[in-house]
Amino acid sequence: QVQLVESGGGLVKPGGSLRLSCTASGFTFNDYYMTWIRQAPGKGLEWVSSISNIVNSGPSIYAADSVKGRFTISRDNSKNSVFLQMDSLRVDDTAVYYCARGPIITHFDPWGQGTQVTVSS
Amino acid sequence: EIVLTQSPATLSLSPGESATLSCRASQPISTYLVWYQQKPGQAPRLLMYDASTRATGVPARFSGSGSGTDFTLTIDSLEPEDFAVYYCQQRGNWPPLFTFGQGTKLEVK
Repeated sequence: QVQLVESGGGLVKPGGSLRLSCTASGFTFNDYYMTWIRQAPGKGLEWVSSISNIVNSGPSIYAADSVKGRFTISRDNSKNSVFLQMDSLRVDDTAVYYCARGPIITHFDPWGQGTQVTVSS
Repeated sequence: EIVLTQSPATLSLSPGESATLSCRASQPISTYLVWYQQKPGQAPRLLMYDASTRATGVPARFSGSGSGTDFTLTIDSLEPEDFAVYYCQQRGNWPPLFTFGQGTKLEVK
């Protein structure tokens, strides 16, 4: 079945970096956009960044203003994986980070189980 | 940026009752409205897209309606497993930006 498994979360100091990974299985990875969405403790959902499924001429990348210039999404179709490089991390980046397939036009399905990122001194 | 406002913030009902959850967009979004369900400690699960199309495996007691700026998720005859937080979500035109409502918590009365 379709499955997404995130890894790479952890505790990091403000200003530090972290690289999240998401490995997909159960579907043709190359055919789909992939996205990162986060959820701060006790809060709602926030879209972070999406990457298109076209890589030969360079993928299209979209990111929320809150992470532009600090976070970079990328993908490796040979490994069925999508990544989120997070630099210049701030305390308010603390959240569970979910990987999701899509957008499939408008929506995301399914989502991974999430990986916790904590930014604290 | 389109803002989605969900109401109520919390809805207290008993199993067997019907639930009506609202999501209002700050600008018309046609029917490009999505609903997710999230249970504690779990990832969100897709329930509904295009405002009224149930995702695979979603029970028929869930229904969605609306277009433009006002949308509703209705759950008929609540089951114990339906008590969760529900989020609406929309996609902006260009560049594609995705925003979520703040969520409605459906709790057992």
